[in-house]
Amino acid sequence: AQSVTQLGSHVSVSEGALVLLRCNYSSSVPPYLFWYVQYPNQGLQLLLKYTTGATLVKGINGFEAEFKKSETSFHLTKPSAHMSDAAEYFCAVTLYSSASKIIFGSGTRLSIRP
Amino acid sequence: KAGVTQTPRYLIKTRGQQVTLSCSPISGHRSVSWYQQTPGQGLQFLFEYFSETQRNKGNFPGRFSGRQFSNSRSEMNVSTLELGDSALYLCASGLDYEQYFGPGTRLTVT
Repeated sequence: AQSVTQLGSHVSVSEGALVLLRCNYSSSVPPYLFWYVQYPNQGLQLLLKYTTGATLVKGINGFEAEFKKSETSFHLTKPSAHMSDAAEYFCAVTLYSSASKIIFGSGTRLSIRP
Repeated sequence: KAGVTQTPRYLIKTRGQQVTLSCSPISGHRSVSWYQQTPGQGLQFLFEYFSETQRNKGNFPGRFSGRQFSNSRSEMNVSTLELGDSALYLCASGLDYEQYFGPGTRLTVT
């Protein structure tokens, strides 16, 4: 069975600083990997996804993530944090055989300091 | 194109009652999935419907059920509500692995 571990339930960075949110996955077969963002009182918005091909994927709002099979990681980064990035971020995994059954990590709350 | 809509947005029910939540997917999407989000358990997959048939199911008791209509709209029902059912219920519609989420229904059980 697949699973996702997000390291750090809360990350705080200064505005303009690098954002790094960590995600490790466990899967017996090549997974599809996702990052979602959730703003207060809203649903989830897809930031980016990895399915096959290029291991560095770019998403919306300047975020990107790199799939590293050897490290079973899919960390999310953004070079320069903006106040509007403050939100909850979820890493998620699914398998093509049950593609709609997404397994989510526990989430990381990102705070931005002025 | 309109996004996923969920009704109602907020709901307060009493323990023992039942509740029905509704979800209208993005036009053209035939898959609808439901998730429960709580502070303690996080986001958990409930079930998925595709062309009116349940295609995947999570690990929830039989009190949680759903259905999908021919126009792809979906409903989920929770019978005999318990305090622990208080949660944000999210609906997602999609094409294969790409899921688009609605704003959720906040259910409070008292």
